[in-house]
Amino acid sequence: RKEVEQDPGPFNVPEGATVAFNCTYSNSASQSFFWYRQDCRKEPKLLMSVYSSGNEDGRFTAQLNRASQYISLLIRDSKLSDSATYLCVVKGSGGSYIPTFGRGTSLIVHP
Amino acid sequence: NAGVTQTPKFRVLKTGQSMTLLCAQDMNHEYMYWYRQDPGMGLRLIHYSVGEGTTAKGEVPDGYNVSRLKKQNFLLGLESAAPSQTSVYFCASSRFTGELFFGEGSRLTVL
Repeated sequence: RKEVEQDPGPFNVPEGATVAFNCTYSNSASQSFFWYRQDCRKEPKLLMSVYSSGNEDGRFTAQLNRASQYISLLIRDSKLSDSATYLCVVKGSGGSYIPTFGRGTSLIVHP
Repeated sequence: NAGVTQTPKFRVLKTGQSMTLLCAQDMNHEYMYWYRQDPGMGLRLIHYSVGEGTTAKGEVPDGYNVSRLKKQNFLLGLESAAPSQTSVYFCASSRFTGELFFGEGSRLTVL
């Protein structure tokens, strides 16, 4: 089992739709969680950190479920500009904060 | 704000040639990383460093060497390039628990 797993998609949704991505992780001691966005042929950029209590940034909501070991990203009112690959990132513990990336989930928002 | 800067951004090599990719960060981050990204494979960690003078192997270290003589610089070397090393290389840096900041990537083609 991979340490961090994501559904690769693609998720193909119309503008205005709500879409949710999940990411599961295998290390129960993981401490830090992030969602990154990567546009085609560009570097990944931080979309949001994921906090235990859940957090929201405009149309984006991230949640963490430690018991089931997954994090989620919800995008409301999808825009064409949301089309990208969304990467889940998990950092461990025990003195090792080396991040592990999921392979990414592709989102295509169409008119 | 420069953030993380990678040089060169593009390079074409012949099999057997050597080259060095330079990563520089101006955020005083302790951690630095080199990733490669290939279609369908996601980001794979080549080597990383948790501080000046230290380096460690990641998931796919074979064929690469690294050095971190100064805190702000992390060099990735290919001693004898192979076509399998054709990829996009990303450097990143971070604090201990924080988000990763990426460079714009270096596109390497080995003929």
